[in-house]
Amino acid sequence: DADVTQTPRNRITKTGKRIMLECSQTKGHDRMYWYRQDPGLGLRLIYYSFDVKDINKGEISDGYSVSRQAQAKFSLSLESAIPNQTALYFCATGTDKLGDQPQHFGDGTRLSIL
Amino acid sequence: RKEVEQDPGPFNVPEGATVAFNCTYSNSASQSFFWYRQDCRKEPKLLMSVYSSGNEDGRFTAQLNRASQYISLLIRDSKLSDSATYLCVVLPSGTYKYIFGTGTRLKVLA
Repeated sequence: DADVTQTPRNRITKTGKRIMLECSQTKGHDRMYWYRQDPGLGLRLIYYSFDVKDINKGEISDGYSVSRQAQAKFSLSLESAIPNQTALYFCATGTDKLGDQPQHFGDGTRLSIL
Repeated sequence: RKEVEQDPGPFNVPEGATVAFNCTYSNSASQSFFWYRQDCRKEPKLLMSVYSSGNEDGRFTAQLNRASQYISLLIRDSKLSDSATYLCVVLPSGTYKYIFGTGTRLKVLA
């Protein structure tokens, strides 16, 4: 089983709809992140959370909200989807361990807003 | 200036060739550095961390040059399966916000 699981893997929806992307992890990491990836732009940080009570905006949080329901779960919502939110979305986790602190990614969610 | 810059490529190399990528970063206080591999429309996967003393894993060697603020990735004896996009990732000190480069695309040709 994957350590970081995203659902759904693919979603096509219409402008104005509310959408929730879910992420769960079994790595026991405190830190969780949501990114979007667009061609030529790399990964951009939407929101991140250091624990259930600590939610932080990233560089492109407008139009998005998040909920950290538990240490293992971090969901991303698009309150009213618009076409320019069409992208590949990744959830990632990170550890408290000092020094070598790589992130671990979920498989991604391909989201298309029509 | 972007915080992390990479040559987008593509680098087209024959099988068996040696290829190297560089990545420059602007924050001199950066503490951790990583190379990730990403296949088309798949998730990034950690290739290797980059230590001050350098790091080698089989055909892959990563180096850090703090004075010039760049990290490098060397791939020896390239395989067709090495074709992918290689992402440079930097973690500045005092933060857990990772900064991603836009990636360098490698195509290994038969």
